[in-house]
Parts: sequence; structure tokens; C-alpha cells
Amino acid sequence: NAGVTQTPKFQVLKTGQSMTLQCAQDMNHEYMSWYRQDPGMGLRLIHYSVGAGITDQGEVPNGYNVSRSTTEDFPLRLLSAAPSQTSVYFCASSYSQGVNEQYFGPGTRLTVT
Amino acid sequence: AQSVTQLGSHVSVSEGALVLLRCNYSSSVPPYLFWYVQYPNQGLQLLLKYTSAATLVKGINGFEAEFKKSETSFHLTKPSAHMSDAAEYFCAVSGGGADGLTFGKGTHLIIQP
Repeated sequence: NAGVTQTPKFQVLKTGQSMTLQCAQDMNHEYMSWYRQDPGMGLRLIHYSVGAGITDQGEVPNGYNVSRSTTEDFPLRLLSAAPSQTSVYFCASSYSQGVNEQYFGPGTRLTVT
Repeated sequence: AQSVTQLGSHVSVSEGALVLLRCNYSSSVPPYLFWYVQYPNQGLQLLLKYTSAATLVKGINGFEAEFKKSETSFHLTKPSAHMSDAAEYFCAVSGGGADGLTFGKGTHLIIQP
């Protein structure tokens, strides 16, 4: 199993550009989520999905869109990048919500200039 | 709603000394508690989790944590620090719902030779 994979590993965007961060898992997990990590802030939940076709907002959803058309994939879209979105983004998955361990991808380091 | 407080953004111990990383939580429902470790430029890896079974939880790499409801604490310990333990450690809480994990801000563990 590859686990949770994320692409790209690094990305530089200019303000106003859009892009999609890719996330895939091969563990047949129903629950997937996106977090952003900023220095001194820990990880904060952006969006999550409890299954294909079902998504919801987390703590910091503004400026991001998600969709879940398959169990395996959960892309994160930045609609119009802003410097405040400079961060490290982590995708995670788990068998279900709550008690189960979340498996994290290696992260995408995004810089918006 | 849940919250997590990790006391000390940086903790320094000598190799072979006791490691103690503090975590206090707030939760309106019985919590599920987790400790994750992040090595430089990597994703998060689960160290251990509390899910209302035994209050003393043993994890990987010799770490353990004790759930104390009266103190709303879930401190992480290891009897003897090793140089390879140097990393960022995150405490997280879940209420069991779909809204993911709430993370503390992290504690950077430094091991002095």
C-alpha cells in the first residue's frame, strides 16, 4: 500500500492564481480531510469528507474548495491564491471519523508571492 | 467543541533523561485523545491513542501517556530520551464526530547529547 499520497511536494504561486492540490489513498478509507500547518499554530482543519459525494467545512475553509467523486481521491482547490495561504498542507484519511487513527500524507509546501 | 493546550513550545532534555510533554484538553463530550510525532519535512505519525479503554496507553518507540479525567490531561512520557526522539510532537482531541481532530500548537523536543 502506498498509503496517502500528495502531489506536488512543493509549489510556488503568484497572487490570484488557482491550483489544485492532489490527494489519494489506497486504503479504502471513507473519511478524508485537509489540514494546513502554520508555525506556532498546529494543524487546522480546512475541509473534510465522510464518503464519496459528501463534504463539509472545517475550521478554516475560506478560499478553498473540495469535492469527492471517488473514495480514493480528495483534491483541494485554491480558487484565487493569496499570500495568507502560504502554508504546508496535509491530507489525511481514516477508516471512519472520530476514534480511528488518521493517516497523513507527506504534505505539500505552498508559497504564494 | 474541543481544544488542546500544550505547555511549552520547546522542551530540551539530555539524552537518557525522562521526557515529559504536557497536554491538557477541553471537551464537551468524552474525548478521544492522540499523540502524533512529526520528523522534519515529513507528515505526522501516530504515537498512541486513548479511546476510553485503559487509562495508561503505550505507544511506539517507548512512549506512553496517561489519561487523567480529573485533571483533563494526557501527558506524554518516555523514561529515557534518545537522540532519534528529536521531533515535533502534537497532542490532538476528537469528540468522535466528523469534524476531525483539534490539534495543539505542538512541542518541539530537543535532545542534548
